[in-house]
Amino acid sequence: EAGVVQSPRYKIIEKKQPVAFWCNPISGHNTLYWYLQNLGQGPELLIRYENEEAVDDSQLPKDRFSAERLKGVDSTLKIQPAELGDSAVYLCASSLQGSTEAFFGQGTRLTVV
Amino acid sequence: AQTVTQSQPEMSVQEAETVTLSCTYDTSESDYYLFWYKQPPSRQMILVIRQEAYKQQNATENRFSVNFQKAAKSFSLKISDSQLGDAAMYFCAVLGSNYQLIWGAGTKLIIKP
Repeated sequence: EAGVVQSPRYKIIEKKQPVAFWCNPISGHNTLYWYLQNLGQGPELLIRYENEEAVDDSQLPKDRFSAERLKGVDSTLKIQPAELGDSAVYLCASSLQGSTEAFFGQGTRLTVV
Repeated sequence: AQTVTQSQPEMSVQEAETVTLSCTYDTSESDYYLFWYKQPPSRQMILVIRQEAYKQQNATENRFSVNFQKAAKSFSLKISDSQLGDAAMYFCAVLGSNYQLIWGAGTKLIIKP
């Protein structure tokens, strides 16, 4: 069974440029999460989807971050414009609805210069 | 609000020996779950062990076991017969009714050959 797939693995952009990350969850997993992980810290939830509905986006900085999950499968997280402080690892995870076990992708390491 | 504290930024252990990683947490919920995740350099979070708060019996998974002290809000991870492949960042996390994982800052585990 394929795991959670994220792309790209690495991304380097200049500040003020836009960037997008893509996540393909495990087949059949209704719940999808995007996390932000700063260096030396644990992940922080940005947004949680149940199917195509964002049920928890309270920690998503909506002035520059946006996310979508069309058709309740793949998801895209976008930053526009990127700032130096956005340099971090962006993790995607998925789970069966109501399950306590989340499966993670390998993340995208973003460097903003 | 839920919080998780990992007081050991780094731990080292000799191969084949036993090591214990500490975690304390705070939550106002009566029903919650506790997790230990492993994050190797590949960045993918891997579930090591899970504990339901309503269960008194400590969870075990092969060489991994926990010491769950609910009254003290303590959830330590014991790794027996440490192997080189156990080297990674270890994160403690708590999951409440809002399905949001709250993470500690992590402990870097070094295995000495």
